[in-house]
Amino acid sequence: AQSVTQLGSHVSVSEGALVLLRCNYSSSVPPYLFWYVQYPNQGLQLLLKYTTGATLVKGINGFEAEFKKSETSFHLTKPSAHMSDAAEYFCAVSEGYGGSQGNLIFGKGTKLSVKP
Amino acid sequence: EAQVTQNPRYLITVTGKKLTVTCSQNMNHEYMSWYRQDPGLGLRQIYYSMNVEVTDKGDVPEGYKVSRKEKRNFPLILESPSPNQTSLYFCASSLSGYGTDTQYFGPGTRLTVL
Repeated sequence: AQSVTQLGSHVSVSEGALVLLRCNYSSSVPPYLFWYVQYPNQGLQLLLKYTTGATLVKGINGFEAEFKKSETSFHLTKPSAHMSDAAEYFCAVSEGYGGSQGNLIFGKGTKLSVKP
Repeated sequence: EAQVTQNPRYLITVTGKKLTVTCSQNMNHEYMSWYRQDPGLGLRQIYYSMNVEVTDKGDVPEGYKVSRKEKRNFPLILESPSPNQTSLYFCASSLSGYGTDTQYFGPGTRLTVL
């Protein structure tokens, strides 16, 4: 069964610093991986996803993530943090593979704080 | 505008009083799902539906019911709410439920059971 581990429930960075949020997954099949962001008092919004092809995936708001099969990781990065990036970030893996349907398995989330 | 809507957004109720949280999507999506979000636990799936009249249990279904009579609607029913169901609830939908699909989330319903 698939699972997701997000290292660090809270991460704090200074404005302009590198953002690195860690995600490791476990999957018996080639995974489909997602990062979602939740701003305060809002629902989740897709940042980016990896399905197949290029392992470096670019998303919205300057975020990107790299799928590393050998490390079973899908870490999220942004070169320069902005105050508006303060939010909670969720990594997820899909149970579906190929043409099959499947549910999303979420990590427990990482809350990002950005200091001025 | 393509969206998932939930009502109510906030609800305070008492133990045992039946309630329904509505969810509706206007994207003609086949797949719909309910999650609850609790601090330190992330999102846990309650129920999901692959299509009309097809529903199945997620990871934490106890105490909840759902129905899918129409494609666009997927209400969550708490027949006899208890304080441990105090949580933030999200409805989500996707085109087909396939592994590559993006799920679109509603704004959330914050439920407090006294």
